Amino acid sequence: EVRLVQSEAEVRKPGESLKISCEGSDNSVTTSWIGWVRQLSGKGLEWMGIIYLGDSDAIYSPSFQGHVTFSADKSINTAYLQWTSLKVSDTAIYYCAREYCHGTNCYHAFDLWGRGTMVTVAS
Amino acid sequence: ELAQEPSVSVAPGQTARITCSGDALPNQFASWYQQKPGQAPVLLIFGDTERSSGTPERFSGSNSGTTVTLTISGVQAEDEANYYCQSTDSSIPPNWVFGGGTKLTVL
Repeated sequence: EVRLVQSEAEVRKPGESLKISCEGSDNSVTTSWIGWVRQLSGKGLEWMGIIYLGDSDAIYSPSFQGHVTFSADKSINTAYLQWTSLKVSDTAIYYCAREYCHGTNCYHAFDLWGRGTMVTVAS
Repeated sequence: ELAQEPSVSVAPGQTARITCSGDALPNQFASWYQQKPGQAPVLLIFGDTERSSGTPERFSGSNSGTTVTLTISGVQAEDEANYYCQSTDSSIPPNWVFGGGTKLTVL
């Protein structure tokens, strides 16, 4: 059974950079769209965008465009979420999740989720 | 934008209905997720009405134009959780959007 394994919790200062990862347990994810979802403490889910691991084609939410960067390394079944200059307001749990596709049909829904990476930004 | 009621309360064994409203819903499929405290969300329903693998039959989805509804028949204590709807807008490529979430309390 495929899993998405996310990197461990991180603590950074404002202005610092950070890259977190999401690794698929097998190479089936190389033909998957992997999305990123933010959850602020005690709040709801926010879609940040999505990246196709096969060719790193990415779509960003307008709310996050320009502040984060998605990347992927299909040779190791891994997607990344990166910041170059963190803000205190980036403190949140970040989930990666796989878009559900059946055959050639994709349903714009996430059927497989990682456990989340807690990012804390504080001075 | 997808609008959900912040909270719904129901007694065990009764039926809970959680709604999600949005202008794009007549033309875009919706999904539903369950999230329990300290856990990642779990997909329950996709394509408005299709149960995901492992979703109990008591969970069902429906679409009536600008509103989609998650119905939980015979609510159990373990169903107490936050529920989120999710859909896309009409942009190309589409932006995905989540509703604000509904806290289901089992009395």
